[in-house]
Amino acid sequence: KAGVTQTPRYLIKTRGQQVTLSCSPISGHRSVSWYQQTPGQGLQFLFEYFSETQRNKGNFPGRFSGRQFSNSRSEMNVSTLELGDSALYLCASSLEGQVFYEQYFGPGTRLTVT
Amino acid sequence: QKEVEQNSGPLSVPEGAIASLNCTYSDRGSQSFFWYRQYSGKSPELIMFIYSNGDKEDGRFTAQLNKASQYVSLLIRDSQPSDSATYLCAVNSRTNAGKSTFGDGTTLTVKP
Repeated sequence: KAGVTQTPRYLIKTRGQQVTLSCSPISGHRSVSWYQQTPGQGLQFLFEYFSETQRNKGNFPGRFSGRQFSNSRSEMNVSTLELGDSALYLCASSLEGQVFYEQYFGPGTRLTVT
Repeated sequence: QKEVEQNSGPLSVPEGAIASLNCTYSDRGSQSFFWYRQYSGKSPELIMFIYSNGDKEDGRFTAQLNKASQYVSLLIRDSQPSDSATYLCAVNSRTNAGKSTFGDGTTLTVKP
């Protein structure tokens, strides 16, 4: 079974621009979570989508948003980019119906803001 | 106090030894516990999960959970140089099953 895929893998943007990242979960997985990983803050939860609805949200500003489509694919958008948004953005998928969520991560998108 | 705490390391063990990685958590409502391995420049890879008190073994890996002490650990037996990586502890609570809270990770180096 194919794993979680993320596109693009690398991205360079300038301050003030916006960016959209994409994530395709493992086939059959309906929950997609997004995380930001930086050397200083570690792995931080952004939000989780399930059945096209945001189910959980972390402590990030409103510039960070996401959505999920009917095929469970998810996109994350960051508007008005800041230098501090440079990070590895990871998405993880898990199987619906499991009480205990085992999450499987994609390879990530490395975003650099200049 | 951080929600999930791990010794940052680095932890260095000789090849063939047992590596012991520890994690404590603050939320008593935590329900499920995960260990991920992350190689430099790569994404986290799930290696173990545990839900019940006690030990869970999978090959060279053993996860141990003590909910009363709010403590979870990972033992790696017969450590190999390929085990050198950062190990992340993650915790899910009953009320936020889709959200994992991660520790900062412990960097393990296995020396040949």
